[in-house]
Amino acid sequence: AQKVTQAQTEISVVEKEDVTLDCVYETRDTTYYLFWYKQPPSGELVFLIRRNSFDEQNEISGRYSWNFQKSTSSFNFTITASQVVDSAVYFCALSGLNNAGNMLTFGGGTRLMVKP
Amino acid sequence: DSGVTQTPKHLITATGQRVTLRCSPRSGDLSVYWYQQSLDQGLQFLIQYYNGEERAKGNILERFSAQQFPDLHSELNLSSLELGDSALYFCASSVSPDSQPQHFGDGTRLSIL
Repeated sequence: AQKVTQAQTEISVVEKEDVTLDCVYETRDTTYYLFWYKQPPSGELVFLIRRNSFDEQNEISGRYSWNFQKSTSSFNFTITASQVVDSAVYFCALSGLNNAGNMLTFGGGTRLMVKP
Repeated sequence: DSGVTQTPKHLITATGQRVTLRCSPRSGDLSVYWYQQSLDQGLQFLIQYYNGEERAKGNILERFSAQQFPDLHSELNLSSLELGDSALYFCASSVSPDSQPQHFGDGTRLSIL
């Protein structure tokens, strides 16, 4: 069975602070994908990033960066110089690659509040 | 805009009733997924269809059913509704059963009174 744990249920920071959202996963699959989605107050789920289990290179996109460490089964997300617009719930998710389907298993989410 | 369209956006009904949620996938996507987001269970996978056929099943109650039509739109039917069915229901789509990422619609918020 697959499992995703986001231990931080809520984080509050002041604008311009850096913040890291933790994600730990469990899977028996040798090949899998990891994702981060953002859910702003309006409720939609916005895709942020996908990583293949074969690719442990860190990725940076503007103020966002992701650190994938297979050895610790972690896929952490850092926002640099946070802004009020970053306030949202962030979900880490895991998907296997098998004939049984590629459904997403989500973590419980981390609510990020960025105060001005 | 993800390109996935869900209707209605909001639905308010009473216990014991039946509702139908509709989803139109992105143009070119053949696979459709349904997810439920509730306070108790978080975001969980319900069911997946590919080109009209059921592909995978998750924690979907027997009172719930779904189908994907020849034009690839999908409907999720919820019957004998209970208070606990109040949730945000998301539809997602992808090109094939194995492709990623899944692009999500804006969801249908179901409130049971």
